[in-house]
Amino acid sequence: EAGVAQSPRYKIIEKRQSVAFWCNPISGHATLYWYQQILGQGPKLLIQFQNNGVVDDSQLPKDRFSAERLKGVDSTLKIQPAKLEDSAVYLCASTRTEQETQYFGPGTRLLVL
Amino acid sequence: DQQVKQNSPSLSVQEGRISILNCDYTNSMFDYFLWYKKYPAEGPTFLISISSIKDKNEDGRFTVFLNKSAKHLSLHIVPSQPGDSAVYFCAASDDYKLSFGAGTTVTVRA
Repeated sequence: EAGVAQSPRYKIIEKRQSVAFWCNPISGHATLYWYQQILGQGPKLLIQFQNNGVVDDSQLPKDRFSAERLKGVDSTLKIQPAKLEDSAVYLCASTRTEQETQYFGPGTRLLVL
Repeated sequence: DQQVKQNSPSLSVQEGRISILNCDYTNSMFDYFLWYKKYPAEGPTFLISISSIKDKNEDGRFTVFLNKSAKHLSLHIVPSQPGDSAVYFCAASDDYKLSFGAGTTVTVRA
C-alpha cells in the first residue's frame, strides 16, 4: 500500500511570495489533515477534511492560508502572502475514518527568507 | 497554550538499556494517547497508543503507562536498540483531534 505522498519536499521563497503544497493521501482514506510543524515544536493541526468538506479549520490563519480538496482525494495548501514565521514543515496525514490512526507523509519543508 | 508537554528535549541511552520518555498534559478531556516516532526527513509514524480507561499497554519492546490522576504518561523502550534513535512525539486526542508535544530526541549509544 502506497503511503501519503507530498510535494515538493523542499521550498525556499521570499516573504510576500505565494507557495502551494500538494498532498495525495492513501487510497480510500476519506479524512485528510494538514499540520504545521515549526522547528522545536510538535505538529499543529491547520485543517481537517472529510472527503471534500472541511471539518475543522479553526487554527488555519485564513487571511493568508487556504486549502482545498475538491474531488475528495488529493489536496492543496496555499500560503499567500508568506511571512517569515511561516517557515516550517507542512505535514499531510490521512485516515480511513477520523477514529483511526493517522498516517503521515514526509512533509514539505518551507523556508521563507 | 501548550496542552501536551515533553519537558526533556533529548535523551541519550546506552544500547541494551531502558529508555524512558515522559509526557504531561493539562486537558482532562483527552481520552486517547499516542506515541509517534520520527526519523529525519520522514513523517511521524505511529508507535503505540493507550486509551484513558487503561493504565498500561505493551507491544513488544514498547510499553506505555498512563497515570490519569497525575496527567502523566511515559513510554518505556527496553532494550534500546540503535534503530530506536529518533524523535518521539507524545500526542493526545480530544474528540479525535490530536495535540502534540514538542518531541524528545533519543540517541542510542553503541
